[in-house]
Amino acid sequence: GAGVSQSPRYKVAKRGQDVALRCDPISGHVSLFWYQQALGQGPEFLTYFQNEAQLDKSGLPSDRFFAERPEGSVSTLKIQRTQQEDSAVYLCASSLDGRAPSYEQYFGPGTRLTVT
Amino acid sequence: GNSVTQMEGPVTLSEEAFLTINCTYTATGYPSLFWYVQYPGEGLQLLLKATKADDKGSNKGFEATYRKETTSFHLEKGSVQVSDSAVYFCALSDRFDYKLSFGAGTTVTVRA
Repeated sequence: GAGVSQSPRYKVAKRGQDVALRCDPISGHVSLFWYQQALGQGPEFLTYFQNEAQLDKSGLPSDRFFAERPEGSVSTLKIQRTQQEDSAVYLCASSLDGRAPSYEQYFGPGTRLTVT
Repeated sequence: GNSVTQMEGPVTLSEEAFLTINCTYTATGYPSLFWYVQYPGEGLQLLLKATKADDKGSNKGFEATYRKETTSFHLEKGSVQVSDSAVYFCALSDRFDYKLSFGAGTTVTVRA
């Protein structure tokens, strides 16, 4: 079956522009996660959805970052007024039930954002 | 909070050599432990996991044992292949904190 897909795969934005990154999780997966991966580092948690409810957004670095999952399937991560420090790979992951830590999270290929 | 510390790379090995990547963790609860792998040009994928103390996870010839007494989850493979060249990430989550906490990753290159 299809895995997690993300689009675009690459995005170049000028500083100050707004961007929107899309994630299509595996069909039937209740939980969806966003992570940010800086160059040479491990992924860091941004936010978590259970169906359409955003249960944890403690990792969002500023109020310029906003995520939504209005119908409990596709999710969009939006970054307003991008800054150079936002340059990173943004990873989306889904799982059957994120509340069970032993459940595997399946990752998408990521969107590489470069802010110039 | 939860954190993971793993061996810094890069690591370069010859084919059929023994590989070990050290991973230690700090957690407030009772974590599940994971090794994820990222092959060149591909996304992160789960390599193996262990959900309680003394469990051994294994897959594709890799093994790791959950050691609560030393808070470690070291990854090992007895005979690596060129196809094992990748970045390896140690990670944890616990029942109080479903999100994954990752180490910085270790880049492994296997030469023929």
